[in-house]
Amino acid sequence: LAKTTQPISMDSYEGQEVNITCSHNNIATNDYITWYQQFPSQGPRFIIQGYKTKVTNEVASLFIPADRKSSTLSLPRVSLSDTAVYYCLVGDPGGGNKLTFGTGTQLKVEL
Amino acid sequence: NAGVMQNPRHLVRRRGQEARLRCSPMKGHSHVYWYRQLPEEGLKFMVYLQKENIIDESGMPKERFSAEFPKEGPSILRIQQVVRGDSAAYFCASSPPIPLNTEAFFGQGTRLTVV
Repeated sequence: LAKTTQPISMDSYEGQEVNITCSHNNIATNDYITWYQQFPSQGPRFIIQGYKTKVTNEVASLFIPADRKSSTLSLPRVSLSDTAVYYCLVGDPGGGNKLTFGTGTQLKVEL
Repeated sequence: NAGVMQNPRHLVRRRGQEARLRCSPMKGHSHVYWYRQLPEEGLKFMVYLQKENIIDESGMPKERFSAEFPKEGPSILRIQQVVRGDSAAYFCASSPPIPLNTEAFFGQGTRLTVV
């Protein structure tokens, strides 16, 4: 399974754009890149997934360069409620959705 | 469509007792996964089940832990003779029969405290 590396923590202020980068140098051809969000005392929640280039939904954007060895989750205009842990995962959807979580990035948003 | 339901939300057990954690997957989902999360750590995969079958239990401790997903009823994670180190949050996730991506839906978790 491809291992991921991401910053332990990040701080931001309301209204700013936050970019969290994840390294996955050993990503396999069949692997997708998925990001989850976890609030305290809750289960993780799917945010976005991509394979290459750029993916955008109502919550975030995901940028994946051509070599796919890294990815960047972009959160536009964060608010206090975006304070959470963000996990970057790589995996093969055909592998039955067994997910490997790292320690994630603790994002703290302040006024 | 109700999400993944886990109960109880909080469970307190004395050392040596048994803990039974329940998970009802989302409607139409036949794949269930159990994860354990220790404080300040990420989730660790434990076991992957389909109806009446254990598909992957590579993350399960060799002793005292077992899981099942019967034809009828919720999935059960059972921990026998609990010890203090079993205190953690246990999350269940489910996905549809044919996963198109790695999106899994998680429950709110069961927080087990062993005293």
